[in-house]
Amino acid sequence: QTVVTQEPSLTVSPGGTVTLTCSSSTGAVTSGNWPNWFQQKPGQAPRALIYTTSNNYYWTPARFSGSLLGGKAALTLSGVQPEDEADYYCLLYDGGAHIWVFGGGTKLTVL
Amino acid sequence: EVQLVESGGGVVQPGGSLRLSCAASGFTFSRNWMTWVRQAPGKGLEWVANIKQDGSEKWYVDSVKGRFAISRDNAQNSLYLQMNSLRADDTAVYYCARDDPAAGPLDVWGQGTTVTVSS
Repeated sequence: QTVVTQEPSLTVSPGGTVTLTCSSSTGAVTSGNWPNWFQQKPGQAPRALIYTTSNNYYWTPARFSGSLLGGKAALTLSGVQPEDEADYYCLLYDGGAHIWVFGGGTKLTVL
Repeated sequence: EVQLVESGGGVVQPGGSLRLSCAASGFTFSRNWMTWVRQAPGKGLEWVANIKQDGSEKWYVDSVKGRFAISRDNAQNSLYLQMNSLRADDTAVYYCARDDPAAGPLDVWGQGTTVTVSS
């Protein structure tokens, strides 16, 4: 089955911009992989942030945006806030196996 | 308020069985695919299985095929995960989550229930 890869960790300064990426072992990530992004803070259940590549849920702050970038799915945080420190996971659809696959997660530190 | 509440977790010996439940409220349960996701201690998220609205389609990650069975009871607004032949690497927090047909998968999550497989 597909292996989805994310940066293990990233650090960003408050107010800065950072891009997290999500790649697939089967090739370029496309809209057909229906990329999704989730945020998880310690001791909490994950929370959905972005669906179908670039759509924000109504609860998702506008500083979060999703896109496709260079064959990968990307999550960009602009104007990072201290409360954005969390683990971020991408989720891709593996149409061949009819299953969804999470990336390993990116630990984002705001420092 | 849309809510998912898991139950049924606990400590079980290797080779044992456990049945998880997820009670849904605040939305029309029968309109949504439903999913189980797990997270081993200190590890990332793993998609486990999902089930179609009427139960006619079920899909599983390779690591649980033949051991786990997802099911649902739309009359009871409940989702289940029957886990057999449990192994130490099945130890995790198990979350149920809703798939929104108009948006994306896993838009609402429960708080999770903990399964520990240990002798």
